[in-house]
Amino acid sequence: EVQLVQSGAEVKQSGESLKISCKVSGDTFAYSWIGWVRHMPGKGLEWMGLIYLGDSDTRYSPSFQGQVTMSADRSSDTVFLHWSSLKASDTAIYYCATRGNHDRVIAFWGQGTLVTVSS
Amino acid sequence: QSVLTQPPSTSGTPGQTVAISCSGTQSNLGSHTVNWYQQLPGTAPKLLIYSNAVRPSGVPERFSGSKSGTAASLAISGLRSEDEADYYCATWDDTLNGFVFGTGTVVTVL
Repeated sequence: EVQLVQSGAEVKQSGESLKISCKVSGDTFAYSWIGWVRHMPGKGLEWMGLIYLGDSDTRYSPSFQGQVTMSADRSSDTVFLHWSSLKASDTAIYYCATRGNHDRVIAFWGQGTLVTVSS
Repeated sequence: QSVLTQPPSTSGTPGQTVAISCSGTQSNLGSHTVNWYQQLPGTAPKLLIYSNAVRPSGVPERFSGSKSGTAASLAISGLRSEDEADYYCATWDDTLNGFVFGTGTVVTVL
């Protein structure tokens, strides 16, 4: 079993920076990669990309390349999602997620972090 | 935006069977297995079906999945009120080199 525990809700102003976190614990296969998913109000789920915990290599979805930065701290088994300059359109719930026994299956999800950006 | 296409909504009465379709292309559903997720209001998505038709432990047999070529389907039989949720298909896409999700389907129990 895998547990993903995310940081709490954030309320920010447009132009501010933000870093949210996701702490991983449990079965070792979860320490392969951690991905991020955006869920905007009234919209569907969007894959943002993933980070490999072993070497912090990242794979961004084309829609999110250059918009966010994923990083990891292996000493604390925590991954981060960072914005340097938030926009109102970044308002969403952000989920971290990871694989189970199969590499191409998103099996476990964090509880989500609500990010609200006001203009 | 979503790469996999699902109907926006479907509905049924308790006990009925509803089916949700998911349409993709050769680079995603045509090359990889499909997974399905259930998202209850205010909660994180939950894995419902993986590898086209496998139910994780704890998922009722009422949920079943299938895939043929670039199309997949999720069926919910013996519909219950607690099945009211959003349902998403998902798979890997070789062109995007990442996961892709369906547009999502709202299931309403009348």
